[in-house]
Amino acid sequence: AQSVTQPDIHITVSEGASLELRCNYSYGATPYLFWYVQSPGQGLQLLLKYFSGDTLVQGIKGFEAEFKRSQSSFNLRKPSVHWSDAAEYFCAVFTLEYGNKLVFGAGTILRVKS
Amino acid sequence: DGGITQSPKYLFRKEGQNVTLSCEQNLNHDAMYWYRQDPGQGLRLIYYSQIVNDFQKGDIAEGYSVSREKKESFPLTVTSAQKNPTAFYLCASQSGRISGANVLTFGAGSRLTVL
Repeated sequence: AQSVTQPDIHITVSEGASLELRCNYSYGATPYLFWYVQSPGQGLQLLLKYFSGDTLVQGIKGFEAEFKRSQSSFNLRKPSVHWSDAAEYFCAVFTLEYGNKLVFGAGTILRVKS
Repeated sequence: DGGITQSPKYLFRKEGQNVTLSCEQNLNHDAMYWYRQDPGQGLRLIYYSQIVNDFQKGDIAEGYSVSREKKESFPLTVTSAQKNPTAFYLCASQSGRISGANVLTFGAGSRLTVL
């Protein structure tokens, strides 16, 4: 089935450590790719997006993501995590193969320990 | 400031009652969406609307209804036919026609709890 997979439900990192959140998708063509962040009880905020071109995209709050076509992945990274980064992160894919709709992964909850 | 306003923030409902969640946007966006969020399941699409007086079912439309009488408003009614309505509901909007190139803007959400 066509899907977006975030294999890590929870991740805990120490403040100042690097972070990588994984995202894989199962669509054939190159889709539009997004990462969103959600603070508890709030809506989603766009961190970054990939449409085409340079496969390394920069986003807000110091985040970046790399699109790897061969691995069907779009992993989110940050070199040094801050306590305020604790939140839930969602990968999302938009593709005509899925009826022209945005499909979300199940999310990864990030905990930051001091 | 432009944005999406969802109300109420918290809502409690007795079994068998219909409830309506409000979503208003002043972004002049054409498309609007309703998503349901449950822990560990991400966001699932309930309904979406590309223009006034037109809307389409998403992946989990059963037990829900919507209307789009005005461009700015897209209310969601959770009916008694929805078997498990306790969830966090998110409204979103998008400028222009539905396209991957047009990013969604989200409201702050409404949490519905069935007692």
